[in-house]
Amino acid sequence: SAVISQKPSRDICQRGTSLTIQCQVDSQVTMMFWYRQQPGQSLTLIATANQGSEATYESGFVIDKFPISRPNLTFSTLTVSNMSPEDSSIYLCSAGTRGNNYGYTFGSGTRLTVV
Amino acid sequence: GQSLEQPSEVTAVEGAIVQINCTYQTSGFYGLSWYQQHDGGAPTFLSYNALDGLEETGRFSSFLSRSDSYGYLLLQELQMKDSASYFCAVIEGDSNYQLIWGAGTKLIIKP
Repeated sequence: SAVISQKPSRDICQRGTSLTIQCQVDSQVTMMFWYRQQPGQSLTLIATANQGSEATYESGFVIDKFPISRPNLTFSTLTVSNMSPEDSSIYLCSAGTRGNNYGYTFGSGTRLTVV
Repeated sequence: GQSLEQPSEVTAVEGAIVQINCTYQTSGFYGLSWYQQHDGGAPTFLSYNALDGLEETGRFSSFLSRSDSYGYLLLQELQMKDSASYFCAVIEGDSNYQLIWGAGTKLIIKP
């Protein structure tokens, strides 16, 4: 299965600033997703990162706040813009290939604290 | 609407067998997956069932009944390292194969 390198692993940011999180996959994958997870809770899907086109956002998430890029089949970025303390969370990217038993791989996560 | 239900917490003793159930209500069901997540770690894929029946992978097995919208994860010969949260997740084929996640079951293992 694919291996994902996600960075940064953690960051402490000032409110009003932006942070870009990167995920690099070691092989070409069909699908990439971005999630948010609070400690002790389930995963919330932010968006599906589409290669070469605009991401597909879930209800409650908008492109201006969470712009996503996916220039090719192995790389994606998520930016958390104009941050507030409510954006403090763990952000995870995930990748997989259609038809490959749908066993999605996850990056190690980015623990974001906004102060 | 879409929903998955699983117990919030299960306790078992080392060496025992534990079953974590998952019932789901979704549209466009494609398959049921299970993921393990240790505290502070990322989810890791355990199993995927698209067809009815039991899939076995070492100490872990997963079962699916599509007619009952029900599945379970069976963990045998429990070890302390199995202490983690376990998530069931439905794959929806008509939603770009994204996962719909359950709330997770925290498995506590006692010596």
